[in-house]
Amino acid sequence: NAGVTQTPKFRVLKTGQSMTLLCAQDMNHEYMYWYRQDPGMGLRLIHYSVGEGTTAKGEVPDGYNVSRLKKQNFLLGLESAAPSQTSVYFCASSSPRGGSYNEQFFGPGTRLTVL
Amino acid sequence: GENVEQHPSTLSVQEGDSAVIKCTYSDSASNYFPWYKQELGKRPQLIIDIRSNVGEKKDQRIAVTLNKTAKHFSLHITETQPEDSAVYFCAASMRGGADGLTFGKGTHLIIQP
Repeated sequence: NAGVTQTPKFRVLKTGQSMTLLCAQDMNHEYMYWYRQDPGMGLRLIHYSVGEGTTAKGEVPDGYNVSRLKKQNFLLGLESAAPSQTSVYFCASSSPRGGSYNEQFFGPGTRLTVL
Repeated sequence: GENVEQHPSTLSVQEGDSAVIKCTYSDSASNYFPWYKQELGKRPQLIIDIRSNVGEKKDQRIAVTLNKTAKHFSLHITETQPEDSAVYFCAASMRGGADGLTFGKGTHLIIQP
C-alpha cells in the first residue's frame, strides 16, 4: 500500500497562474481533506469530502476549488494563484474505526511558492 | 467554529525528563482529540488520540488526559529521548473528525542531551 500520495512535490507559480494538486489514496477511505500549513500557524482545513461526488468548505476555502470524482482521488485547484497561497499543502484521508472516530492519514505534502 | 489554543510554543527539556504540552478548545461539542508529531520536512503522524468518553489514555511513554469540564487536554511524554525532538500538534473535532480537524499552532519540543 502506498497510503496517501500527492503530486507534485514542489511547484513554483507566478501570480495569476492556475494549477491542480492531486491527492490519491489506496486505503479505500471514505473521507478526504486538504490542509495548508504556514509557519507558526499549524494546519488549517481548506476543503473536505465525505464521499465520492461530495465536497464541503473548511476554515480557509477562499481562492480554492476541489473535486472528488473518484473515491480514491481528491483534487485541489487554484484558479488564479496569489502570493498569500504560498504554503505547504497536505492531503489526508480517513475512515471510521471503532464507531465514528476517524484517524487521519496524511500525504507527504506539496510545497507551493507563488511569486 | 472551534478554536484550539496550544502552549507552550517551544519546550526544552533534558533527556530523560518528562514533557507536558497543554491545549484548550472552545466548542463543548468536540468529541475527538488527536495528537500529531511532525519531524522537519515530513508529514504529520498520529501518535495518540482520545475520545470524549475517556479521561485518560496511555501508550508506553506517551499519555493524554482530557478534562471536558475545563475543555482542556494535555500530552505527557515520560523518559524523553533524542528522537522525541519534533513539533507536536494537538487537534479537536466534532463528529469524531469526519468534518476535519482544528489544529493548535504547535509546540517545538527540544530534547537536550
